[in-house]
Amino acid sequence: KAGVTQTPRYLIKTRGQQVTLSCSPISGHRSVSWYQQTPGQGLQFLFEYFSETQRNKGNFPGRFSGRQFSNSRSEMNVSTLELGDSALYLCASSLEQGSGEKLFFGSGTQLSVL
Amino acid sequence: AQTVTQSQPEMSVQEAETVTLSCTYDTSENNYYLFWYKQPPSRQMILVIRQEAYKQQNATENRFSVNFQKAAKSFSLKISDSQLGDTAMYFCASTSNSGYALNFGKGTSLLVTP
Repeated sequence: KAGVTQTPRYLIKTRGQQVTLSCSPISGHRSVSWYQQTPGQGLQFLFEYFSETQRNKGNFPGRFSGRQFSNSRSEMNVSTLELGDSALYLCASSLEQGSGEKLFFGSGTQLSVL
Repeated sequence: AQTVTQSQPEMSVQEAETVTLSCTYDTSENNYYLFWYKQPPSRQMILVIRQEAYKQQNATENRFSVNFQKAAKSFSLKISDSQLGDTAMYFCASTSNSGYALNFGKGTSLLVTP
């Protein structure tokens, strides 16, 4: 069974642009979560989707948004990019939604904002 | 705010030896889950072990085991018979109050030397 696939692996953008990252979960998994990883802040929760609905959101500005499609694939979008948005963005999927579910992560998208 | 603290930024161990990584956490929940994730240079986060707080028995997965001290809010990871492939960042995490997100520690960089 294929793992969690994130595309692209690397992305370079300039300030003010917007970006869309994609995540394909493990087949059969219905929940997708997104995390931002930076050297300074570590891993921080962005949001979680289940059955095409955002169930939980972390403490990030409205420039960060996402969605989930009927096949469970998810995208996240960052508008009006800032230098501080440079980070590794990790997507994780789980079979169901709920506390304690094992998360399976992708290899991430490394975003650099110049 | 819930926090997860890993007090050892870096550790080193010789191949075949045993090493213990420390983690303390803070939560007001009665039932929660604790995790150790491994992040090798490939950047993909890999679940090492999971512990349910209401289970007193410490979780084990092959060479990996935990020492879960609920009253002390301590959750250390023991790696026995260390292998070169264990070289990675190790993150301790707990479920958040919402249950749908994980709070991660800052990580411990483990180097296994020949």
